Amino acid sequence: QSALTQPASVSGSPGLSITISCTGTTSDIGHYGYVSWYQQHPDKVPRLLIYNVNSRPSGVSSRFSGSKSGNSASLTISGLQAEDEADYYCMSLTTSRTLVFGGGTKLTVL
Amino acid sequence: QITLKESGPTLVKPTQTLTLTCTFSGFSLSSGRVGVGWVRRPPGKALEWLALIYSDDDQSYNPSLRSRLTITKDTSKNQVVLTMTNMDPVDTATYYCTHRDFGEYYFLYWGPGTLVTVSS
Repeated sequence: QSALTQPASVSGSPGLSITISCTGTTSDIGHYGYVSWYQQHPDKVPRLLIYNVNSRPSGVSSRFSGSKSGNSASLTISGLQAEDEADYYCMSLTTSRTLVFGGGTKLTVL
Repeated sequence: QITLKESGPTLVKPTQTLTLTCTFSGFSLSSGRVGVGWVRRPPGKALEWLALIYSDDDQSYNPSLRSRLTITKDTSKNQVVLTMTNMDPVDTATYYCTHRDFGEYYFLYWGPGTLVTVSS
């Protein structure tokens, strides 16, 4: 299975919004509503930000939101803060009942 | 409170078999279609899902690594074991075990991870 496609890097200024895309196929993102997003700071454990496309776990800021259209999903971070600088990954269930991550996106807060 | 922790060797030689153990608490892997999975991240590279085992002993594997992976569980010890054969330097990574809730396909709970280096 191929990794989901994410931009290698995105950047934004504090207070503004950014969107990270995650492109899959009809066999993963396009087939299911099981898209999740993770944040990982250097040398830290990945943290779940979004599950089932647009749901937030308890304790995750409402500045993080998710959406899906067709074979693509997106993570939007509004009101960028310095602490948001990290790597971000999408993940989806596939029709083979396996899981697949995206290639990761490095967010730089300018 | 759900916790998981990985254990195993920090250094393995090329061609050897890696055996990692995930010891967990706060849930049971004997019922309810919950699951425990493994994810790794090589230095400077992306997260990669490896395998998942469910309470009914059903297993799922990354197709790219299927021939090298085996995941098993010991419900009496609250442990899940991942074995990976024919280790190569490209398998150097931090390996995480994760919890999968009933009916869901995301990972809320993660272990702290264990760095495995493959080198002669």
